[in-house]
Amino acid sequence: DSGVTQTPKHLITATGQRVTLRCSPRSGDLSVYWYQQSLDQGLQFLIQYYNGEERAKGNILERFSAQQFPDLHSELNLSSLELGDSALYFCASSVGRGWDEQYFGPGTRLTVT
Amino acid sequence: AQSVTQPDIHITVSEGASLELRCNYSYGATPYLFWYVQSPGQGLQLLLKYFSGDTLVQGIKGFEAEFKRSQSSFNLRKPSVHWSDAAEYFCAVEAGQGGKLIFGQGTELSVKP
Repeated sequence: DSGVTQTPKHLITATGQRVTLRCSPRSGDLSVYWYQQSLDQGLQFLIQYYNGEERAKGNILERFSAQQFPDLHSELNLSSLELGDSALYFCASSVGRGWDEQYFGPGTRLTVT
Repeated sequence: AQSVTQPDIHITVSEGASLELRCNYSYGATPYLFWYVQSPGQGLQLLLKYFSGDTLVQGIKGFEAEFKRSQSSFNLRKPSVHWSDAAEYFCAVEAGQGGKLIFGQGTELSVKP
C-alpha cells in the first residue's frame, strides 16, 4: 500500500458524459501527478499540481481539467467523454515540487461505452 | 526529446533463473531513473531509483539495477526469479520542470514453473 488513495476504483459511463476522479496523496506529500495508461499510448503524464498550484502540464486534452484543494487532495475532471478516453487513470504523489520519488495509487479504471 | 525504450515486450524465464530487463533512455542531463512494477489490476510499485552516486542500486524484492552512462542504459536484474515476480515492469526517467515521469512501453515478465 503506497498511501495514495483513489476513488472510485471503477467507473462506467456513456459517451458525452462528465466524470470526476479523486485522489488523496500520501500524508506529507505536496505534489500530485495524474497519468493515463492505455493500450495504445502506454503511460502518459497528464498534469502536476504542487501545493495547490499547477506546476507542469503534459498531454492533457482541453476536455480534461484538474485541481488540487487546500487539503491537498486532487480531482481530475473529464468531460465530453469519448470511447478513446477509456483507460486506467493513476494519481501519484511526492514530497516536493518534483525530482523526487513518486508513489502511485491503485488507479481508476474508466470505461466509456 | 527525452524518451525511454524497453526493447523486450515480453520475457519468459524459469523460476530460479536469473533475470535482466533492458532499459535505454535518452536524456540530455544526468537522469533520475526508476523501475516500477505493475501486477495485474494493481497500481505501480516503486522497485528502485537512481539519482546519483553509486551506479549499482539496490531495490526491494531482491532487485538491483545498474546505471551505465556510456550506454544510456539502466538494466534491471534479479539473480533468482520467483513465480510471484510475474508482472509488468516499467522503466522511467524523470524530466521537465515538474519532474514528470516518462515511461517505457513496459516489459511483461512470465515465470515458468
